Amino acid sequence: DSGVTQTPKHLITATGQRVTLRCSPRSGDLSVYWYQQSLDQGLQFLIHYYNGEERAKGNILERFSAQQFPDLHSELNLSSLELGDSALYFCASSQAGGPLHNEQFFGPGTRLTVL
Amino acid sequence: AQSVTQPDIHITVSEGASLELRCNYSYGATPYLFWYVQSPGQGLQLLLKYFSGDTLVQGIKGFEAEFKRSQSSFNLRKPSVHWSDAAEYFCAVEPGTYKYIFGTGTRLKVLA
Repeated sequence: DSGVTQTPKHLITATGQRVTLRCSPRSGDLSVYWYQQSLDQGLQFLIHYYNGEERAKGNILERFSAQQFPDLHSELNLSSLELGDSALYFCASSQAGGPLHNEQFFGPGTRLTVL
Repeated sequence: AQSVTQPDIHITVSEGASLELRCNYSYGATPYLFWYVQSPGQGLQLLLKYFSGDTLVQGIKGFEAEFKRSQSSFNLRKPSVHWSDAAEYFCAVEPGTYKYIFGTGTRLKVLA
């Protein structure tokens, strides 16, 4: 158990819908990272937040957005869902403001299925 | 463009045999290098990392990796594989941009 929690574990929805994925980092960690893992794209970095502020953006679609709240939990919002958004979405956390010299601890993931 | 290549999609070894998983990266300078393992239905766990210094890095679960600058490689090794090592292994680089770039992964199967 990494100490990072993600809810829900599974999510099944229809095209065009909007969903919210939630992540609670390890106690004391200020950074939250979101990743998407799909069969065709592999594991891709989406976005990084540090203490409530966006720190880095990866291959995140405009239909996707994220935020980190004052209690440091984070939410990833996916809208106008398409079949191709079906994937495993991971959240990771680390202590400091960047991945350098800081191990990222991964949650168990949320499996999103878009029908 | 920065990239990470794991040329072996699947590898099968017998329990007790040695293992080497290959990782090559494309980047102008030396990035920060990582190996992660993902067991079925689990998130990723860090095995080891390289930032600088000794090019042979020891990790958890008996794994080690060697950084070779001339070959732009960071191969993962284990002298004797256990059945519990069956998982997917990912090499990742962080080229100083706060963004991890992952390889496509190598799925390891261990024969009893």
